[in-house]
Amino acid sequence: DQQVKQNSPSLSVQEGRISILNCDYTNSMFDYFLWYKKYPAEGPTFLISISSIKDKNEDGRFTVFLNKSAKHLSLHIVPSQPGDSAVYFCAARMGATNKLIFGTGTLLAVQP
Amino acid sequence: GAGVSQTPSNKVTEKGKYVELRCDPISGHTALYWYRQSLGQGPEFLIYFQGTGAADDSGLPNDRFFAVRPEGSVSTLKIQRTERGDSAVYLCASGPGSSDNEQFFGPGTRLTVL
Repeated sequence: DQQVKQNSPSLSVQEGRISILNCDYTNSMFDYFLWYKKYPAEGPTFLISISSIKDKNEDGRFTVFLNKSAKHLSLHIVPSQPGDSAVYFCAARMGATNKLIFGTGTLLAVQP
Repeated sequence: GAGVSQTPSNKVTEKGKYVELRCDPISGHTALYWYRQSLGQGPEFLIYFQGTGAADDSGLPNDRFFAVRPEGSVSTLKIQRTERGDSAVYLCASGPGSSDNEQFFGPGTRLTVL
């Protein structure tokens, strides 16, 4: 039973347009949500996070939205750039233990 | 170096052998995490150290897996009697404190058990 789900294995977007990556979770005890970006043969790189007490966090081209009632979060990238092409992982943290529970990832391809 | 480093980058071994994977965290980081990523999956938590002690080892799959961090810096993940199902990328991450909102990952060690 996956507690964090990314139902879209891949997404293709044109350069300059908006990319929206989605993530659903089941455990209401998660207190922090994070997005990581991963290039091949590299470790995941932290992108942006949001506390469970907020509904939006913005950092430059990246915005994360959290809908607690729906147990859903999304990452918006605008404008998308070819360098954004990577696998994006959604992760949730259980505050008591610090461990992260990851989704299966979404491969984003930004077409020039 | 500035980031988390892991050695070796690749390890090929035969079923039944013993392997050790090493992680050098970012200097000064007290928290250290091990994850395992299988093909097509996200990273899966194995163990978390705060200083020298294992604060949470609930993700270790069985007693063939063991990890140490004797001086609160470098950590070694040890796998005994390796099985083909242990093949994966083993990721290490570190964080600055006891309540990390961000974990910094190394490049991983790709373990292949033949």
